[in-house]
Amino acid sequence: DGGITQSPKYLFRKEGQNVTLSCEQNLNHDAMYWYRQDPGQGLRLIYYSQIVNDFQKGDIAEGYSVSREKKESFPLTVTSAQKNPTAFYLCASSKGGEIDTQYFGPGTRLTVL
Amino acid sequence: GQNIDQPTEMTATEGAIVQINCTYQTSGFNGLFWYQQHAGEAPTFLSYNVLDGLEEKGRFSSFLSRSKGYSYLLLKELQMKDSASYLCAGMDSNYQLIWGAGTKLIIKP
Repeated sequence: DGGITQSPKYLFRKEGQNVTLSCEQNLNHDAMYWYRQDPGQGLRLIYYSQIVNDFQKGDIAEGYSVSREKKESFPLTVTSAQKNPTAFYLCASSKGGEIDTQYFGPGTRLTVL
Repeated sequence: GQNIDQPTEMTATEGAIVQINCTYQTSGFNGLFWYQQHAGEAPTFLSYNVLDGLEEKGRFSSFLSRSKGYSYLLLKELQMKDSASYLCAGMDSNYQLIWGAGTKLIIKP
């Protein structure tokens, strides 16, 4: 079955710790995205990557970092510099054309204690 | 600035029809997407409109008016499983999606 997987589903961390969220896709998509979803707000783009070994900042990249070493994988690290990291994080992928439908993974809910 | 507006919450009755409106302001325009999101789950793609008019897909239809910066999602023969949030997203001139906060649809028996 083709799809996007994110792990873990729920993640707890202590303040001051970095944490990495996993995103893997087997759809052979070129583009991958990370969004943050908070109650009462639209999805906000953190980072995106159109091709392996290249990525761009989205609207709220501060306090986050990514890598794209493989086409299938786009992990997101939430660093201790992110002031309000508790949120629902969604990874998406698309074929990579300009006007393109994005398909989402199941999400990771991160809670900072 | 760029903005997507949609109602926060709507209530409808099982078997009825509901229309969820969305108005958009984007820098350039490359189409309007609708997604469905059940609580705690991934958004799933419903429709894409770039030309004016109505696109029908089974019980769901989506309409676009570019001159008015307006779209709606029409859901017919509502079922309890349609209880979800519906997200409207406009694609700007940089091919980035600008998302609305979502409309939570509550279906009552």
